[in-house]
Amino acid sequence: IAGITQAPTSQILAAGRRMTLRCTQDMRHNAMYWYRQDLGLGLRLIHYSNTAGTTGKGEVPDGYSVSRANTDDFPLTLASAVPSQTSVYFCASSAGTSYNEQFFGPGTRLTVL
Amino acid sequence: AQSVSQHNHHVILSEAASLELGCNYSYGGTVNLFWYVQYPGQHLQLLLKYFSGDPLVKGIKGFEAEFIKSKFSFNLRKPSVQWSDTAEYFCALSNDYKLSFGAGTTVTVRA
Repeated sequence: IAGITQAPTSQILAAGRRMTLRCTQDMRHNAMYWYRQDLGLGLRLIHYSNTAGTTGKGEVPDGYSVSRANTDDFPLTLASAVPSQTSVYFCASSAGTSYNEQFFGPGTRLTVL
Repeated sequence: AQSVSQHNHHVILSEAASLELGCNYSYGGTVNLFWYVQYPGQHLQLLLKYFSGDPLVKGIKGFEAEFIKSKFSFNLRKPSVQWSDTAEYFCALSNDYKLSFGAGTTVTVRA
């Protein structure tokens, strides 16, 4: 069982380009999340999905979009990347909501130049 | 609004020393609290969690944390650290779907 996989592992991207970060889980978890991790700021929630077909905005959603077409996949798209989106991005999932542990993927290191 | 603050940004200590990392939260309702650890080059893993009941919770690898409601605190402790405890530690608070993280504390254990 892989848990959560993310792709790519790292990426260097020119500003203005479109980029999709992929996330797949094999635990049949209902809820999925995208966070960005920045030094001194911890992890901040970008978007979330409580169940397939629904999504919601987190703390820092601007410049990002997500979709949840099925239970397993939760891609994060940067429509037009900017340097401030340089960060490490973590996908996570949980069986439910606040009472359940969130499981994290290995992360994607994104650099926008 | 909910928030989590961690007092120490970087802690350096020697093996066998005791560790205590501070965590305070701000939230008016029922809280679910977590400590996560991120070892170098790895993803976040759960150390322990508190939902209700005994305010002293024990986690993996000898860690424990105490929930003190009157102080809005959830400090993490380990009586004797090892070199392998070198990592970044995050306190988090959950309300419904959202996990709010503190800024993290980097712990460096010297052999």
